[in-house]
Amino acid sequence: EIVLTQSPDFQSVTPGEKVTITCRASQSIGGNLHWYQHKPNQSPKLLIKYASQPFSEVPSRFSGRGSGTEFTLTISSLEPEDAATYYCHQSSSSLRTFGQGTKVEIK
Amino acid sequence: QVQLQESGPRLVKPSETLSLTCSVSGGSMNNYYWSWIRQPPGKGLEWIGYMYYSGSTSYNPSLNSRVTISLDTSKSQFSLRLSSVTAADTAVYYCARDAYSIGYWGQGIQVTVSS
Repeated sequence: EIVLTQSPDFQSVTPGEKVTITCRASQSIGGNLHWYQHKPNQSPKLLIKYASQPFSEVPSRFSGRGSGTEFTLTISSLEPEDAATYYCHQSSSSLRTFGQGTKVEIK
Repeated sequence: QVQLQESGPRLVKPSETLSLTCSVSGGSMNNYYWSWIRQPPGKGLEWIGYMYYSGSTSYNPSLNSRVTISLDTSKSQFSLRLSSVTAADTAVYYCARDAYSIGYWGQGIQVTVSS
């Protein structure tokens, strides 16, 4: 099973600041890494697919990069509505896995 | 627009079987992996498993012996059965369309295991 480890677990950020979340895989997964935003009482929303491809209608402040075992999600300028938990997810293996999540709070 | 909707009992007794159905509208079931994912209270997302449209399956090893996912393309539905449930299976359960990334999710259904 491929383990995904996100860092940090929690981040408290002022609106307008840059946010960077890292996801590390226990083995190489190529570019098969996707990022989701999850708010309470909502279903998760796909932000970035295949490490760096924005999904439909995702604001341009969200971007992703990486390959192999290290990936990052960046929010270039945090908006209040970006308060959420962010998850990475790999589809390299038939045994899909998620990272443990990174909660982003607005200061 | 593809839409998914979970349905089923929201309260299940310990040791019984949890059964949920996901109804799919707005698109074909062909060429996708039809998945179940859950979120226990206060915890992160946990992948349960999927069935590919052709019938192959993959399950989370931690749940493998208790999980069955099935597909009925004629009804545009797929289902989850989780046997011998305990309080640890209390969670919000999501159905989802896995095209390697998961662009479409159901709204989620809260299932509580309690006597």
